[in-house]
Amino acid sequence: DQQVKQNSPSLSVQEGRISILNCDYTNSMFDYFLWYKKYPAEGPTFLISISSIKDKNEDGRFTVFLNKSAKHLSLHIVPSQPGDSAVYFCAASFTGTASKLTFGTGTRLQVTL
Amino acid sequence: DVKVTQSSRYLVKRTGEKVFLECVQDMDHENMFWYRQDPGLGLRLIYFSYDVKMKEKGDIPEGYSVSREKKERFSLILESASTNQTSMYLCASSLPQGPHGYTFGSGTRLTVV
Repeated sequence: DQQVKQNSPSLSVQEGRISILNCDYTNSMFDYFLWYKKYPAEGPTFLISISSIKDKNEDGRFTVFLNKSAKHLSLHIVPSQPGDSAVYFCAASFTGTASKLTFGTGTRLQVTL
Repeated sequence: DVKVTQSSRYLVKRTGEKVFLECVQDMDHENMFWYRQDPGLGLRLIYFSYDVKMKEKGDIPEGYSVSREKKERFSLILESASTNQTSMYLCASSLPQGPHGYTFGSGTRLTVV
């Protein structure tokens, strides 16, 4: 049973525009959420996170929004750059479980010129 | 530069072979994890360990075992490799409540023929 879902396997966005990647979760006990970025032949790298006590967190061009009532989070990238082309995974955890993460299926973002 | 090192980038093994995937981290992290990444399925947790000699089953432990004799090293063992274990294997480590979650290795692409 997939507790963390990314329903869009791929997304194509023009350079300079906004990229919006979505993630839904089913377990209301999740209280910490992260986004990772993965290039081919490399391991995923941490991008940004958000605690369930917040509804927004920003870091430069990256903003994560959390809607707890809808069990939905999204990652906004503004403006999108060609170097952002990668696979993006959202992940969720329960505080107190030693940061064991449950990952989504990933969304491949292609930023075109 | 802190890192997680996986001993092999690419491996080709025969069906029925016993396979060892090695992972070493130099960050003194307590937690270590093994995931596999498959298209459309995202990252799925195989096994994890919170301390030396401790191990816990993840979501898909069947056909795998692990060993953690030293804090910095976490080995994944395929007891008798099968073709459905062809995958990208990712090792990660973390602090117990690290806000950035995991640090991943670069992955091992295993092909079982």
